[in-house]
Amino acid sequence: AQTVTQSQPEMSVQEAETVTLSCTYDTSESNYYLFWYKQPPSRQMILVIRQEAYKQQNATENRFSVNFQKAAKSFSLKISDSQLGDTAMYFCAFMNLPPSGSRLTFGEGTQLTVNP
Amino acid sequence: AAGVIQSPRHLIKEKRETATLKCYPIPRHDTVYWYQQGPGQDPQFLISFYEKMQSDKGSIPDRFSAQQFSDYHSELNMSSLELGDSALYFCASSSAEGTNEKLFFGSGTQLSVL
Repeated sequence: AQTVTQSQPEMSVQEAETVTLSCTYDTSESNYYLFWYKQPPSRQMILVIRQEAYKQQNATENRFSVNFQKAAKSFSLKISDSQLGDTAMYFCAFMNLPPSGSRLTFGEGTQLTVNP
Repeated sequence: AAGVIQSPRHLIKEKRETATLKCYPIPRHDTVYWYQQGPGQDPQFLISFYEKMQSDKGSIPDRFSAQQFSDYHSELNMSSLELGDSALYFCASSSAEGTNEKLFFGSGTQLSVL
């Protein structure tokens, strides 16, 4: 079974600064997807960024980018120019490729607070 | 754009009662997933359906059952409710065209068992 670990329960950053959230995972599969989801106080689950394991290039989405280290099974999220609206719980998640199923396995989450 | 619709948004039940949660996926999405998120916890996968058939099963209690109907909406039925069932229940949907990796989540149903 896959496991996802986020070792930082809480983090804080000043507005406009950069912050990196860590995630490690364990799997015996070679092809899979990795995700970062954001859950603000509204508790809506919002996809931030997605990485396909077979792609060596790190995914980027505007101010969000990842550092994907497949051999180390590490998948960190970098948020640049942090904004107050980035305050949320961030979950790292793993998904196998079909036909193994497409359930998401989540990490424990990192509560990020952006301070003015 | 249409999103995943869950109803009700909030539900309050007594112990040992039953509850039914409904999920309406995005049009043309054929796969539905249910997740349970307890207070301060990460979401846990319960069950999923593809084309009205159960496709995967996670940590769903035997007291819970679910199905996907011909119009692709899904219902999660929960019986003999316990205090520990109090949680946010998410539904998500995706399309099997491609690799199903794009999950879209609903806003969730907050279930409180008193």
